[in-house]
Amino acid sequence: DVKVTQSSRYLVKRTGEKVFLECVQDMDHENMFWYRQDPGLGLRLIYFSYDVKMKEKGDIPEGYSVSREKKERFSLILESASTNQTSMYLCASRSSGGADTQYFGPGTRLTVL
Amino acid sequence: GEDVEQSLFLSVREGDSSVINCTYTDSSSTYLYWYKQEPGAGLQLLTYIFSNMDMKQDQRLTVLLNKKDKHLSLRIADTQTGDSAIYFCAESPISTGGFKTIFGAGTRLFVKA
Repeated sequence: DVKVTQSSRYLVKRTGEKVFLECVQDMDHENMFWYRQDPGLGLRLIYFSYDVKMKEKGDIPEGYSVSREKKERFSLILESASTNQTSMYLCASRSSGGADTQYFGPGTRLTVL
Repeated sequence: GEDVEQSLFLSVREGDSSVINCTYTDSSSTYLYWYKQEPGAGLQLLTYIFSNMDMKQDQRLTVLLNKKDKHLSLRIADTQTGDSAIYFCAESPISTGGFKTIFGAGTRLFVKA
């Protein structure tokens, strides 16, 4: 059974803190994605990675960075958290080819105080 | 640019059919998708349709695609309370290199008993 896991379901941080969100997939997928989900806005792509050590900016990369040192793990980093980064963060992975279906983790609800 | 639009809310009675509509702008997508998000969970692929198809049926689900009008719909027959969720329409335009999936804002389906 395909599985994408995220390190935390809920996280509360203070403004200015460095925040790490971890995502692990066990499907040997090449492509991994980080989205944020906000009411009425749907999913917005922050960053994606199509291979180890490769990364590409999505639609809203400002204030975020990513790391992909191993194929199965894709990390999202908030260098200095701000209140407008309070959101639900969703990680997904996808194999190359076929129907390009994305498999999502359960999400991390981050609150920045 | 790429855009996917869908209404934000739909309310139906248990046992009725639900129809969720979506319009998209990029006609280059090979596949169009419907994802379902239950409360507190990530997105899960419900079904997808290949762009050269007009219709796809999978048990209680019927997907209709009108390429001329760039309109996609999801019909759920005999809607149950367990179908209450947010439904996302999505496409993966070839114009983005196939890496990006564009999601609508999601339609929240309420099923009244």
